[in-house]
Amino acid sequence: DQQVKQNSPSLSVQEGRISILNCDYTNSMFDYFLWYKKYPAEGPTFLISISSIKDKNEDGRFTVFLNKSAKHLSLHIVPSQPGDSAVYFCAASSSGSARQLTFGSGTQLTVLP
Amino acid sequence: EADIYQTPRYLVIGTGKKITLECSQTMGHDKMYWYQQDPGMELHLIHYSYGVNSTEKGDLSSESTVSRIRTEHFPLTLESARPSHTSQYLCASSEGIGGHTEAFFGQGTRLTVV
Repeated sequence: DQQVKQNSPSLSVQEGRISILNCDYTNSMFDYFLWYKKYPAEGPTFLISISSIKDKNEDGRFTVFLNKSAKHLSLHIVPSQPGDSAVYFCAASSSGSARQLTFGSGTQLTVLP
Repeated sequence: EADIYQTPRYLVIGTGKKITLECSQTMGHDKMYWYQQDPGMELHLIHYSYGVNSTEKGDLSSESTVSRIRTEHFPLTLESARPSHTSQYLCASSEGIGGHTEAFFGQGTRLTVV
């Protein structure tokens, strides 16, 4: 049973607009959440993270929002750029699992010029 | 930029061959991991290590084996490759136990068994 779910396999957005990628989780023990970006034939690169004691974390064009009651997090990219086109993975960890990461299945973001 | 390296990047090999996928990191990280990923699917943890001489199996059952004789090196071995082993293999590392920290990934090895 998937503990981290990304229900949208793909998303297309116009350049300059906002991209919103969503992630849901089922394990209430998760207390740290991360977003990774992956280009084809390369390994994932870390983008941004958020601890469960916060509900928002911002880094430049990237903002992650966490709604603990809904067990939902989202990544906002504003403004979207063609170079943002990649697969985005949501991941979560808990102290109980010794901080091992559990990943979602990813969302392919395509930013159209 | 992360200093974690995987070789080879691509490997096409015949059924029954023994292969070793190499992974090295220069960050002095205690924790290292191997993930397996198929297109459109999540990354599945197949092996992890918390330090020298420590190895554990991950959530996804795998016929591969790993070793951790040196902190910086975490190779993965398949004794007899099969077409079902065709996948992308990703190595990662992170800092020691405790605290919130991200994992750094290598560029991956795309393995094709024919």
